[in-house]
Order: sequence, then C-alpha cells, then structure tokens
Amino acid sequence: LAKTTQPISMDSYEGQEVNITCSHNNIATNDYITWYQQFPSQGPRFIIQGYKTKVTNEVASLFIPADRKSSTLSLPRVSLSDTAVYYCLVGDEILTGGGNKLTFGTGTQLKVEL
Amino acid sequence: EPEVTQTPSHQVTQMGQEVILRCVPISNHLYFYWYRQILGQKVEFLVSFYNNEISEKSEIFDDQFSVERPDGSNFTLKIRSTKLEDSAMYFCASSDQGATNEKLFFGSGTQLSVL
Repeated sequence: LAKTTQPISMDSYEGQEVNITCSHNNIATNDYITWYQQFPSQGPRFIIQGYKTKVTNEVASLFIPADRKSSTLSLPRVSLSDTAVYYCLVGDEILTGGGNKLTFGTGTQLKVEL
Repeated sequence: EPEVTQTPSHQVTQMGQEVILRCVPISNHLYFYWYRQILGQKVEFLVSFYNNEISEKSEIFDDQFSVERPDGSNFTLKIRSTKLEDSAMYFCASSDQGATNEKLFFGSGTQLSVL
C-alpha cells in the first residue's frame, strides 16, 4: 500500500474553504484515493473517492494532479460540525478470503472555530 | 443512507470477564469487519469475515477473540478473557462486494472499558 503523508492538524473558521493535502509518492497504477471522516466517538465515514483529475460530491471536492502523487480534499464553507479527523487512504488490500482491508494513518485533525 | 448499528454503545467489564460486542451490518452486504481504536491511536484492522468464515485476521486477533454470524442479521465479536489493554473503541464495518477500492460502512462503535 502507498504510504501517505498529511498534516497532523489544521485550524479554520466557519465559512472558510479548507484544503487538506495528502502526499502519496508511491501510488500504484490501480490505486484509488479515498478520504474518510471521523467525528469523536464515531466510526470513520466515507467522504469521497477519486482516481484522477477532479471529483465533486455534495460534501467535498477531491483534486488529483496528473502525476497522482498527491491529492487535495477541499471542504467548501466549513462549519463547526466539520470538526473531525480526515483520513487519506490510497489503495486497499484485497483479501484472499474475501473483502478488503483499509489501513488508516493518523489523519488530519481539523478544528473549525467561530 | 443505510447504517451499521452496534450495541452496546458502552461496555464496562472486569479483567478476565468475557464480553460480546454486537453488530447489525447493512442488510445486503456480504463482507464484515471489526476494527478497533485505542484512545488517541490509529484505527486498526482486527478481522474480516465472509461466507461464514474468517478471511483474514491481524496479529491483534489472537485466540481470545472470536467472531460469529449467529443468524442472518447479527455479527458478533467475543473476547473470552478481557485484558486491560483490550480497552478501546471497537468498530464494526460492512461492505457490499469486497471489490477493489470499495467503501466500507462503519458503525458508531462500542467503547469497551476493562477495569
């Protein structure tokens, strides 16, 4: 699995756009880039996934440059409720017996203030 | 959106006691998982389960741990003789096809405290 590097923490204010960048220099050809969000005392929640260029959904946008060695999660107009840990995952491990295994890093703790 | 539900939300037990953590995965999902997160640490894979058997387990998942799908809806994690270091948040997850890059749906977790 590709190793990922992302900032440990970020601070923002309500209404601002937040961009969290993840580095993944050894991403493999077949790897997708996936972001999960985790609120305190909750399980991780899928936010967005992409392979290249730009992906947008109702929650976020994901920007992936042509070399795919990094990606940026963009959260438009954050609110207090966006305070959470954001995990960048690259690829997953398909298990021989079935299923796929995710490997979580330490993530980025985003704190949104008034 | 469909949800994975876990019960109880909190479980306090004495060291050496057995605990069973319960999960109801999303109804049409075929792959089931347990992860855990010790306070302040990473979310760690414990075990995956498919077609009524374990497909992979981590080093953490030793002989004290077992999983079971006793009926068509529940998926349980049993710890036979709890240790202090088993204190953690335990998350159940499920997925549909087990395909590459498929998203996992996680429950809200059971906070296990071993005293």
